[in-house]
Amino acid sequence: DTAVSQTPKYLVTQMGNDKSIKCEQNLGHDTMYWYKQDSKKFLKIMFSYNNKELIINETVPNRFSPKSPDKAHLNLHINSLELGDSAVYFCASSPGVAGGGDEQFFGPGTRLTVL
Amino acid sequence: AQKVTQAQTEISVVEKEDVTLDCVYETRDTTYYLFWYKQPPSGELVFLIRRNSFDEQNEISGRYSWNFQKSTSSFNFTITASQVVDSAVYFCALSEDRGGADGLTFGKGTHLIIQP
Repeated sequence: DTAVSQTPKYLVTQMGNDKSIKCEQNLGHDTMYWYKQDSKKFLKIMFSYNNKELIINETVPNRFSPKSPDKAHLNLHINSLELGDSAVYFCASSPGVAGGGDEQFFGPGTRLTVL
Repeated sequence: AQKVTQAQTEISVVEKEDVTLDCVYETRDTTYYLFWYKQPPSGELVFLIRRNSFDEQNEISGRYSWNFQKSTSSFNFTITASQVVDSAVYFCALSEDRGGADGLTFGKGTHLIIQP
């Protein structure tokens, strides 16, 4: 059984469109994250959610909005897509116990290409 | 703010050679956690190790070993007798203690190429 899953695996779309990437974890973890990996392989945290509350919101354009319908899901909505949004987006989860520093379990990634 | 530096962008060695990947970190916290992840050509991120700031013992797992030195703020990773399957991008990462929701700060990665 897949621990952290993302759909779709590939997403090709036109500039200006709105798209969503879904993430689900079946590990019973309390915290979920979104990371962006750019064309140079640099990984950067975008958001994290702990018990449905946004904890970290890095300097990400407000065109990006995470939405968590429940503890097992953290979806990423992107409005008005731009060329620079092309990247691989990884979802991750961790137990989120007090004290932090838990291992984060990553999904397989979603490769977004904006034309 | 925290920072992770992996100065080696790419390393290429011949199979069976030993190779060390360097990682230097910066943080103001006394409690923090260090990680290594592997990203093979297939693209997934594979967890290798986690170490907290209070545990400076070196760790060995098969052909992999890690050397954590707080005095030099380094957490280096050595592969002994490298194999072609070790070819991947390796990321060192840091998280600070924020009570359970801290994201990882990654280095830029080292692309390791093992030639047969």
